[in-house]
Amino acid sequence: DAMVIQNPRYQVTQFGKPVTLSCSQTLNHNVMYWYQQKSSQAPKLLFHYYDKDFNNEADTPDNFQSRRPNTSFCFLDIRSPGLGDAAMYLCATSRRLAGGGDTQYFGPGTRLTVL
Amino acid sequence: AQKVTQAQTEISVVEKEDVTLDCVYETRDTTYYLFWYKQPPSGELVFLIRRNSFDEQNEISGRYSWNFQKSTSSFNFTITASQVVDSAVYFCALSGGGNQFYFGTGTSLTVIP
Repeated sequence: DAMVIQNPRYQVTQFGKPVTLSCSQTLNHNVMYWYQQKSSQAPKLLFHYYDKDFNNEADTPDNFQSRRPNTSFCFLDIRSPGLGDAAMYLCATSRRLAGGGDTQYFGPGTRLTVL
Repeated sequence: AQKVTQAQTEISVVEKEDVTLDCVYETRDTTYYLFWYKQPPSGELVFLIRRNSFDEQNEISGRYSWNFQKSTSSFNFTITASQVVDSAVYFCALSGGGNQFYFGTGTSLTVIP
C-alpha cells in the first residue's frame, strides 16, 4: 500500500543534542510537510517542500531545519532541542499545494522526548 | 481570515449513541475545501473526508455522515451507533486560496462501553 512512513516512532534525546527525524513516502507526491503537534493542540505547520522548493513558516524557529534529498524522503533536523520542543512531529504529503484543495496524507508521527 | 472553530472540546457518549461533532469555518475565498481527520491515541491523523465549496451534498459512509451547509458555514460530522473504536480526537480543517491547512482545535470523543 502507498503510504507515508516515519522513523523512528519514538525518539528520546538530551537537551541540546541534535536529532534528525525521517519521513518517506511511496505516494510520489510533490509536496511534503512537517508539523509539530503538542499535547491537546492542533498540528502546527513548520515548513513544506514543493518539489525542491523549501517554504518556511514565518514563526518556525531557526532551530528547525529540513532537507529533501529526493522526492521520497524528507528530514527534520532539530539542531539544539529544548524542553519546549518535546512534541509529536507529523509528516504529511499531498499531490499539490493546499490551495489546490488536495488532501494531505499523514504519517504515524514521531513522538520526541527531550530530557 | 481563515479560521476553523470546533467549539466542543470533549464529548463523552455511551456506546451505540449517535454523536455530532460541530465545525464552523470562516473564509473569504469562494473556492475552498473542508476536511475531517481522525486522530486515535496512536497519533496518526487519518483522513476521513474532503468536500469542496461547490458541493453541498451531504455524504454518508457507513456509520459516518457529514452535513455541509454554506448558509451557516458549517461542516458537521455525525457518527451513528458509536463504538469504542470511534474514541479519538477529530479535527476539522480548511484550505483555500493560500497554501495553508487551517486546523480546528479538535474534539476529543470518548465512547464508553
